[in-house]
Amino acid sequence: AQSVTQPDIHITVSEGASLELRCNYSYGATPYLFWYVQSPGQGLQLLLKYFSGDTLVQGIKGFEAEFKRSQSSFNLRKPSVHWSDAAEYFCAVGAYGSARQLTFGSGTQLTVLP
Amino acid sequence: EAQVTQNPRYLITVTGKKLTVTCSQNMNHEYMSWYRQDPGLGLRQIYYSMNVEVTDKGDVPEGYKVSRKEKRNFPLILESPSPNQTSLYFCASSFTGTATEAFFGQGTRLTVV
Repeated sequence: AQSVTQPDIHITVSEGASLELRCNYSYGATPYLFWYVQSPGQGLQLLLKYFSGDTLVQGIKGFEAEFKRSQSSFNLRKPSVHWSDAAEYFCAVGAYGSARQLTFGSGTQLTVLP
Repeated sequence: EAQVTQNPRYLITVTGKKLTVTCSQNMNHEYMSWYRQDPGLGLRQIYYSMNVEVTDKGDVPEGYKVSRKEKRNFPLILESPSPNQTSLYFCASSFTGTATEAFFGQGTRLTVV
């Protein structure tokens, strides 16, 4: 069965600083990988996804993520954080052909300081 | 507008009083699922449905029931709620097959006292 680890429960950065959120997955084959963002009081919105091909994936809101098979990682990055990026971020893995679809990490809460 | 709609958004109930949380999607998705979100645990799948009349258990199905009589609707039923079911619940839908983008409702915050 697949699993996802987000080692950072809470991250604080200053507005304009760069950001990297870590995600490690465990899955026996090539995974489908996702990053979702949850703003306060809202549902989850897809930021980006990786299925195959180029390992550097561009998403919405200026986010990108890099799939590194050797490290079983799919870290999310943004070069310059905006105050509106404050939210909770979830990494998720999906298994090809699995009816169970997504397995989520425990989430990383991002605080942005002015 | 493509959306997943959950109702109610907030609910406070007492132990043992049956309740239903509704979920409806307008994207003709075959796949629908329910998750609960608890601090430090992320989202855990409760039940999922691959199509009408096809449902199966997720990771944490105990104490919950679902039904899928129509493609667009997937209600979550708590027949005898207990305090440990106090949580934030999300409904999601997507096309079936390989893991595709899931669309989420805005959530239902349930408190059982």
